[in-house]
Amino acid sequence: DAKTTQPTSMDCAEGRAANLPCNHSTISGNEYVYWYRQIHSQGPQYIIHGLKNNETNEMASLIITEDRKSSTLILPHATLRDTAVYYCIVRSLETSGSRLTFGEGTQLTVNP
Amino acid sequence: NAGVTQTPKFQVLKTGQSMTLQCAQDMNHEYMSWYRQDPGMGLRLIHYSVGAGITDQGEVPNGYNVSRSTTEDFPLRLLSAAPSQTSVYFCASSTRDTQYFGPGTRLTVL
Repeated sequence: DAKTTQPTSMDCAEGRAANLPCNHSTISGNEYVYWYRQIHSQGPQYIIHGLKNNETNEMASLIITEDRKSSTLILPHATLRDTAVYYCIVRSLETSGSRLTFGEGTQLTVNP
Repeated sequence: NAGVTQTPKFQVLKTGQSMTLQCAQDMNHEYMSWYRQDPGMGLRLIHYSVGAGITDQGEVPNGYNVSRSTTEDFPLRLLSAAPSQTSVYFCASSTRDTQYFGPGTRLTVL
């Protein structure tokens, strides 16, 4: 699975959009981009994933560049409860569904 | 559905003791896995299973054993606890796409 690079930390004002970047320049054609988050002391929580098209669900939007070498997770209206560590993970669906490789993620702090 | 449950929530062991961390899921997922998370770090994969009777090693398997006799349960055994195993342990079950994590077990080895 390809390596990812994320900023260590970011801040966002409550009610504003939070845009979390991720670089994955060595991504392969069959690898998906996944985002999970971990609120303090809890187990990680799945947010969204995509291959090459932009994706949106009730939690967030995922924007993947045309060359697929980077992506951005967007939380459209951040709340204090969105304060968490956000992990960007690249994974092939050929890799066992029980294996994820976590980096150190981005600590997002939403400020009132 | 309860999702993924883990017991106990907290545990303190002395060096050399053995114990089993329990993990159960009620989503009928084939895939299950165990991770550990040390302070300030991301999760690291210990062992995983792609179905009942099938297990394999992850990134940091030494000092841990697993078995998968049923789809629902995936216990993690510490054979002889060491202070380096002080960590938070997360169990997950998954579809092919998405992992669902339990609340974690906080283990301290003195």
